[in-house]
Amino acid sequence: AQSVTQLGSHVSVSEGALVLLRCNYSSSVPPYLFWYVQYPNQGLQLLLKYTSAATLVKGINGFEAEFKKSETSFHLTKPSAHMSDAAEYFCAVSPSPFTGGGNKLTFGTGTQLKVEL
Amino acid sequence: NAGVTQTPKFRILKIGQSMTLQCAQDMNHNYMYWYRQDPGMGLKLIYYSVGAGITDKGEVPNGYNVSRSTTEDFPLRLELAAPSQTSVYFCASSYLLGAEAFFGQGTRLTVV
Repeated sequence: AQSVTQLGSHVSVSEGALVLLRCNYSSSVPPYLFWYVQYPNQGLQLLLKYTSAATLVKGINGFEAEFKKSETSFHLTKPSAHMSDAAEYFCAVSPSPFTGGGNKLTFGTGTQLKVEL
Repeated sequence: NAGVTQTPKFRILKIGQSMTLQCAQDMNHNYMYWYRQDPGMGLKLIYYSVGAGITDKGEVPNGYNVSRSTTEDFPLRLELAAPSQTSVYFCASSYLLGAEAFFGQGTRLTVV
């Protein structure tokens, strides 16, 4: 079984401030972890993914996330927020396809990021 | 490069009507998925397919049906639409089960 918890359904930051979106996961086998972004009236776009290589993963638009097994976390960060970062962000987990888990992506409930001037 | 294409983008249905949401991908992915997105609930898996002719239920399959006659297409059928099916529906595909998924732009469905 697997699950994802995103702490904070709404996060508000000032432009130029640090962005921190929290994600904790639960998985009985080694996981793959993903962050997706959704802009209004659009589909989900992959920001970055962890696939058991480097624990610090860099993605598009200056975002990065660190896999911490001891904390079962995969928090998303960006050093300096931009107005264009305002969107909804989803964390997702799946068993590594090579563990034979054979399962599907499980998504968190999402975090709406607001960026203020 | 089209990726995953969904049609229609918007639809209003009356209670009891039926419709098919179309989904096509041009990436030669074996795995395809249908999700529904409701406010504050994230994405819930309705059905998925691991290849042509093979489909399986996800978390919330009631009221829906799917078929997969080709690698490219994965239509979702709603029979006897109900207000509870008002949602945004996303189709996705991936090259591996559980790996990175590529999403379509969504279909916003309202049942009145």
